[in-house]
Amino acid sequence: KNQVEQSPQSLIILEGKNCTLQCNYTVSPFSNLRWYKQDTGRGPVSLTIMTFSENTKSNGRYTATLDADTKQSSLHITASQLSDSASYICVVSDWTGTASKLTFGTGTRLQVTL
Amino acid sequence: NAGVMQNPRHLVRRRGQEARLRCSPMKGHSHVYWYRQLPEEGLKFMVYLQKENIIDESGMPKERFSAEFPKEGPSILRIQQVVRGDSAAYFCASSPSGTSRYEQYFGPGTRLTVT
Repeated sequence: KNQVEQSPQSLIILEGKNCTLQCNYTVSPFSNLRWYKQDTGRGPVSLTIMTFSENTKSNGRYTATLDADTKQSSLHITASQLSDSASYICVVSDWTGTASKLTFGTGTRLQVTL
Repeated sequence: NAGVMQNPRHLVRRRGQEARLRCSPMKGHSHVYWYRQLPEEGLKFMVYLQKENIIDESGMPKERFSAEFPKEGPSILRIQQVVRGDSAAYFCASSPSGTSRYEQYFGPGTRLTVT
């Protein structure tokens, strides 16, 4: 059964600090891994998407890493801002040859405080 | 280019009533996905549709739930005889293709409350 697990479940950090969120997955056949940001009451918004051949990808202050051998990914946020407060969701896509299906983690709820 | 649009944003129904949720994909996108998010849980896949075709409905409950994506107009997720357990946020996403290389763009969701 395809699964995506994220840690920590929640995290509180001070504005300006860095943080790293973790994602472990068991999805087969693996196609790509995505990180989404979901503000409260909104739909998820894509931050990065990586295939198995990509080790790292950046989007501004967000940097995602992928280790396809250990099936782990991380999302690093540098110089956090209050607006970074949201849930960060790790999503893994499989590919059956006819359609892809996304498996979602339950997310890490990040709160950035003054 | 408008994003994925969903309406209504909030919907309240009494037990036994029907709920109709609408999703208009991004312009140029012909693939639509519906997901359900229960409180404190991750999004769960429900159904994947192309115009006039259901491609994968493996995540959809067998009874009371149906989805369509007609040639003209929005995609509709229909829940008949709603029960309290149907209370959730329902998200629609669209993509230009069904292959995994393409990004799925999410709408703002419809929050269904069953009283």
